[in-house]
Amino acid sequence: ILNVEQSPQSLHVQEGDSTNFTCSFPSSNFYALHWYRWETAKSPEALFVMTLNGDEKKKGRISATLNTKEGYSYLYIKGSQPEDSATYLCAFRDDKIIFGKGTRLHILP
Amino acid sequence: NAGVTQTPKFQVLKTGQSMTLQCAQDMNHEYMSWYRQDPGMGLRLIHYSVGAGITDQGEVPNGYNVSRSTTEDFPLRLLSAAPSQTSVYFCASSYSGLAGQGGEQFFGPGTRLTVL
Repeated sequence: ILNVEQSPQSLHVQEGDSTNFTCSFPSSNFYALHWYRWETAKSPEALFVMTLNGDEKKKGRISATLNTKEGYSYLYIKGSQPEDSATYLCAFRDDKIIFGKGTRLHILP
Repeated sequence: NAGVTQTPKFQVLKTGQSMTLQCAQDMNHEYMSWYRQDPGMGLRLIHYSVGAGITDQGEVPNGYNVSRSTTEDFPLRLLSAAPSQTSVYFCASSYSGLAGQGGEQFFGPGTRLTVL
């Protein structure tokens, strides 16, 4: 079974500060790396789908990078806002989609 | 376009009972999957399917069966419920990644199952 690791498990960030967290995954048999945002009592929603080494994707204040050769991806949030509080999941895709355990982000007012 | 639908939303079972969690999607997605969510464990893959007639085991398949007779439906069967199967179950679908599209998954609203 694939090992998808996310760190840190939990993060408290002051409103207005920027932050980032990591997803590591197997570097072989790679199809795609997904990032999802998961709010409490809701279902996960996709942020980014990344397929190529060196990919950089951006959506508003959130961006992500991908290194398939060394097996890691970073998610960055610039100028954190209270609405950014959520769990951020990464998922590695080959013939199936396996999730990491997530990084739980708390934005402090 | 309803997306991914799941029924029921809530269910309470007694140990040993069987039941089927229903999942349907109307996006013509080839790939469908079932996950369970447990505290501190994230989403763990139970079973998945890359197309009608094809299913395979995920990370935690024991105690669960699936079938995929149509593209739209992917039911999850609990054969003999156990308290360890108390969890929130999510169904998801996407375009197949085998063509290199790497499509994102769309999730249903979840089914909260309690086994007494």
